[in-house]
Amino acid sequence: GAVVSQHPSWVICKSGTSVKIECRSLDFQATTMFWYRQFPKQSLMLMATSNEGSKATYEQGVEKDKFLINHASLTLSTLTVTSAHPEDSSFYICSARGATGFHEQYFGPGTRLTVT
Amino acid sequence: GQNIDQPTEMTATEGAIVQINCTYQTSGFNGLFWYQQHAGEAPTFLSYNVLDGLEEKGRFSSFLSRSKGYSYLLLKELQMKDSASYLCAVTDSNYQLIWGAGTKLIIKP
Repeated sequence: GAVVSQHPSWVICKSGTSVKIECRSLDFQATTMFWYRQFPKQSLMLMATSNEGSKATYEQGVEKDKFLINHASLTLSTLTVTSAHPEDSSFYICSARGATGFHEQYFGPGTRLTVT
Repeated sequence: GQNIDQPTEMTATEGAIVQINCTYQTSGFNGLFWYQQHAGEAPTFLSYNVLDGLEEKGRFSSFLSRSKGYSYLLLKELQMKDSASYLCAVTDSNYQLIWGAGTKLIIKP
């Protein structure tokens, strides 16, 4: 089956610093990648959708200047949390969808971000 | 607006059967997914229904009625490892995935 990796799996950073999270599709070309955030005991919240080579589409309420998304290739998307604050601490999950087949999203294992 | 409803929490006994329901109201329909999510982990794919009827896959089955905007996930021979959240998600006319809040399933011995 399709495999999506995320790196790092967890990260602790100080308030005010920036953190980059990578999402890679290992055995298929991901024309579309999705970034989600999940707070404890809550459902997934879609942050943004990105298509390879074009700007990401952000959901309402998500600051595009704070959460920078780059989908530079068909196998890699990155999410950079800029000037992180403790309230940005969350579980960030990416998913990827290929150009063919049905519309399943393949999820990465997630990245747990803790901002101190 | 678009809406997906599923129960917040359910409890079942090991070895038993449980049915998790999902109702949806979306702008268009291009398929319904069920995902399993264990605490602290990312969701994993369970099933996909785009036509009416029952899809069986081992201990798990998923049913869809498009006219009723209704689906259920049926889990048989429950095991302790089935304790997880089960997420219902619908792809709308723009192929956007609309997520339900998830059903936390607690399995008791």
